[in-house]
Amino acid sequence: EAAVTQSPRNKVTVTGGNVTLSCRQTNSHNYMYWYRQDTGHGLRLIHYSYGAGNLQIGDVPDGYKATRTTQEDFFLLLELASPSQTSLYFCASSDVNERLFFGHGTKLSVL
Amino acid sequence: QQQVRQSPQSLTVWEGETAILNCSYENSAFDYFPWYQQFPGEGPALLIAIRSVSDKKEDGRFTIFFNKREKKLSLHITDSQPGDSATYFCAASANTGNYKYVFGAGTRLKVIA
Repeated sequence: EAAVTQSPRNKVTVTGGNVTLSCRQTNSHNYMYWYRQDTGHGLRLIHYSYGAGNLQIGDVPDGYKATRTTQEDFFLLLELASPSQTSLYFCASSDVNERLFFGHGTKLSVL
Repeated sequence: QQQVRQSPQSLTVWEGETAILNCSYENSAFDYFPWYQQFPGEGPALLIAIRSVSDKKEDGRFTIFFNKREKKLSLHITDSQPGDSATYFCAASANTGNYKYVFGAGTRLKVIA
């Protein structure tokens, strides 16, 4: 079974703070994704990547940066966090059969 | 603009009944439609999926019905069980090679024993 691990599980920061969310997958999937989940909006794609060094813009990228350092590791960066970025963040990877495997999520609160 | 729409937002059924969750989309290029199931405190997990060349996909108690002309699909859960209580997301992707998925807002299902 594909394994996607996110850290931290919970994060609280202040407006203007700097936050990095981490994601590691151990199944050598090429594609990795960052989504945010908000009530009434479902899952919205922030950024995604098809390999180390690659970055693709998602549907709601404003205020977010991302970096794929290795096949396994994908990071989401909020350099000037705002209260509107309070959300539940999910990382996922995708296999060749187009199945998404999600992590358990990171709950971020920006005060 | 929501490319994938789901209804109802929430649904309550009795144990043993059939739950019907609806999904519609706008982009004619979408050709792959997975449904994901999410329990509280967990990430979504793939439940069942259909490609646009088919009009029905069945897996146990879960069946997708697909109408390409109307750009609609539905997930039927027969003999609903309390353990099916979860949020269900309809998603879509186009065969463009970029593996990009768009999700609906979800339907929260509650099955009462």
